[in-house]
Amino acid sequence: GENVEQHPSTLSVQEGDSAVIKCTYSDSASNYFPWYKQELGKRPQLIIDIRSNVGEKKDQRIAVTLNKTAKHFSLHITETQPEDSAVYFCAASKEYGGATNKLIFGTGTLLAVQP
Amino acid sequence: SQTIHQWPATLVQPVGSPLSLECTVEGTSNPNLYWYRQAAGRGLQLLFYSVGIGQISSEVPQNLSASRPQDRQFILSSKKLLLSDSGFYLCAWSLGRSGGYTFGSGTRLTVV
Repeated sequence: GENVEQHPSTLSVQEGDSAVIKCTYSDSASNYFPWYKQELGKRPQLIIDIRSNVGEKKDQRIAVTLNKTAKHFSLHITETQPEDSAVYFCAASKEYGGATNKLIFGTGTLLAVQP
Repeated sequence: SQTIHQWPATLVQPVGSPLSLECTVEGTSNPNLYWYRQAAGRGLQLLFYSVGIGQISSEVPQNLSASRPQDRQFILSSKKLLLSDSGFYLCAWSLGRSGGYTFGSGTRLTVV
């Protein structure tokens, strides 16, 4: 089955700097890659996603890049702010590959933005 | 609009006691439903998923079971809790075979 690895496990940056979180996946048939943000004690929330037919997607200060050949994808946050502090999860799945779109999550990255 | 409800929010149970966590979705029909467990506040482990009433797929053999008695209701159960069952349990839903999930607010279970 699919296996998703995520690095780093913790990341500390100064406010205004950029943050990059990287994930690799094992199943070359995976074609959907969402990113979730989880604030302390709260539910994970979808912040951006990318499908395998594109290499990059941006939404304001957040961008995701995908390298299908290398089977890795990354989350880029620019101009970080203290409210970006949270645990970020990547995930991978095969849309339309089975009865449901089963997401396999990475182990999470704790991002701390220092004011 | 669609909403997902999960309860209780917190639960402290003794070892060997039963467990029942409930999740319901409003505003949609025939959702795909999922139970995840998050141990130590980090990784999300898929426990069960369901694509329809009475249809349950188990991802990890363990002390837990799931049921879907109604279209928008998903229940996580255990007959006898273990200490290792402690964690943050999240229910989620999605539509069809594409797209991301919407998570419930979670249940923090502590087995003592």
